[in-house]
Amino acid sequence: KNEVEQSPQNLTAQEGEFITINCSYSVGISALHWLQQHPGGGIVSLFMLSSGKKKHGRLIATINIQEKHSSLHITASHPRDSAVYICRGTSYGKLTFGQGTILTVHP
Amino acid sequence: EPEVTQTPSHQVTQMGQEVILRCVPISNHLYFYWYRQILGQKVEFLVSFYNNEISEKSEIFDDQFSVERPDGSNFTLKIRSTKLEDSAMYFCASRLNLAGGYTDTQYFGPGTRLTVL
Repeated sequence: KNEVEQSPQNLTAQEGEFITINCSYSVGISALHWLQQHPGGGIVSLFMLSSGKKKHGRLIATINIQEKHSSLHITASHPRDSAVYICRGTSYGKLTFGQGTILTVHP
Repeated sequence: EPEVTQTPSHQVTQMGQEVILRCVPISNHLYFYWYRQILGQKVEFLVSFYNNEISEKSEIFDDQFSVERPDGSNFTLKIRSTKLEDSAMYFCASRLNLAGGYTDTQYFGPGTRLTVL
């Protein structure tokens, strides 16, 4: 069993829909990162969370430390949001990645 | 805006050859990382580097791999004798270390695609 599990693995949406990607982890972590990997392969850090909630534009990330769960939400999705979204746990230098969620937003 | 750069963007090599992948982190950053992603698989952590030494490394980072910061600006990953299974995209990242922990943002380079024939 992976220490960091994401769901769903694949997600298809219509433009404008509200999207949620979930990440559950079974190890203790000091921080959780959400990353976006573009179709060309480039990786961008979206959020780093150790508690609570963060918002940036149409993206919102939340984390519940007790439940070992984080969610990434995209409001008013757009085709340019199509990418792989990856959550990554950090625990005293050890970095554990989820397998990624492939998001496709159709116009 | 400052960014992490990597060269080359694509490296093709023969099995058994040595390769050096180069990264220029953001200039005031203090922590440096290498990751790899085999095609179709998830990103994997290789190594972190701070204060001119390795901080952490994964089980993937065996004796065939080494890292160096030769001149204060470049951060290199060397694979001594490449294997077919080393074919992957290799990403470099750096972070500032504001908080003194592991929680601030890492900035990723665009990656080097390594193909071992």
